Amino acid sequence: GESVGLHLPTLSVQEGDNSIINCAYSNSASDYFIWYKQESGKGPQFIIDIRSNMDKRQGQRVTVLLNKTVKHLSLQIAATQPGDSAVYFCAENKGDTGNQFYFGTGTSLTVIP
Amino acid sequence: DGGITQSPKYLFRKEGQNVTLSCEQNLNHDAMYWYRQDPGQGLRLIYYSQIVNDFQKGDIAEGYSVSREKKESFPLTVTSAQKNPTAFYLCASSRSPINQPQHFGDGTRLSIL
Repeated sequence: GESVGLHLPTLSVQEGDNSIINCAYSNSASDYFIWYKQESGKGPQFIIDIRSNMDKRQGQRVTVLLNKTVKHLSLQIAATQPGDSAVYFCAENKGDTGNQFYFGTGTSLTVIP
Repeated sequence: DGGITQSPKYLFRKEGQNVTLSCEQNLNHDAMYWYRQDPGQGLRLIYYSQIVNDFQKGDIAEGYSVSREKKESFPLTVTSAQKNPTAFYLCASSRSPINQPQHFGDGTRLSIL
């Protein structure tokens, strides 16, 4: 079946550096994508979303880039802080009539003080 | 504050026992979802409901049951037929109909005694 995957399971960055987390998707019918942050023992927290009619969307310290040609999604976090340490995963909609998603397995981000 | 409340945070099940996980939302969302999260895997959909008094099976519904008698509530029962119930269970809700972000509760961790 189709699935969402991440290129790297773990990522360590120095505090203050920028972080880039990548995600590959395979469902060409997907037209809506979300990035979530999940801290240990908690539920996923919505970070930012993007629709397929956009290539880039910016939030507070975060930017999501969408490359539909190669089916690639990335999350950039500027000036990474210790509070950013968490698992990040992407979700793509299934392109059906329900609001259902495929969820990736996640990348664990560790920020080194 | 608006949000999704899951209870209890930790739950233990004995052999042959049914247990019910609670999920309440005050976001006025029409759609609600139950997911199971296992280590190293993406979220897997158990059941979802797009409107009161209606619900649909997800990818792994066997051994689970739900009800949606009120818009705010979507309880999940893990029955004795579910042979591997140990997991982290997440409830989510969203606006309808499609391409809406799902917002999650902080989960219930179910273990077997």
